[in-house]
Amino acid sequence: QKEVEQDPGPLSVPEGAIVSLNCTYSNSAFQYFMWYRQYSRKGPELLMYTYSSGNKEDGRFTAQVDKSSKYISLFIRDSQPSDSATYLCALKTGAGSYQLTFGKGTKLSVIP
Amino acid sequence: GAVVSQHPSWVICKSGTSVKIECRSLDFQATTMFWYRQFPKQSLMLMATSNEGSKATYEQGVEKDKFLINHASLTLSTLTVTSAHPEDSSFYICSAGSPGSYEQYFGPGTRLTVT
Repeated sequence: QKEVEQDPGPLSVPEGAIVSLNCTYSNSAFQYFMWYRQYSRKGPELLMYTYSSGNKEDGRFTAQVDKSSKYISLFIRDSQPSDSATYLCALKTGAGSYQLTFGKGTKLSVIP
Repeated sequence: GAVVSQHPSWVICKSGTSVKIECRSLDFQATTMFWYRQFPKQSLMLMATSNEGSKATYEQGVEKDKFLINHASLTLSTLTVTSAHPEDSSFYICSAGSPGSYEQYFGPGTRLTVT
């Protein structure tokens, strides 16, 4: 079993839909959870950074962490064509560590 | 803030030649930088971690003699792909670590095509 599992998609939704992206992980040592957005042929950019279980909201984006189930989610409300990108979850074990473990990424297309 | 640049953004080279990719942190000093490669529809795979002024630490399976990394200053790291072959064609992404927050800030990537 891989440390981080993420459905690569592709996922195609109509504009305005609510999008749910998910990752599961096996290592309970992961304490910090991130979501990156990567446009085609570009480097990843950090969208959300969360610690411990619970929700964190930033505009149309909500990150959710359930450590008991080892399950993390990113919700996008009122999705826009500009949200079309690959979304990668990334996890790390400690605050004083740079080391990231990435999911495979989910390719999202928002159709106008 | 926290801008990382890479140069070139796209390079085509002939098999057997070497190519150098630069990674710069533009507005902060990065004692630690990272190099990743990403194949189509795949995730980022860490190749090596470099600390300013010391030798890079390579991940298992990455040939250190083929992928030469130099981190000579707090704002510049370079990756040289020596004797490149078509199988080295990939998207190479660097990141720079922020010492305070331990976040990684990613560059825009370099697409290498070896013909």
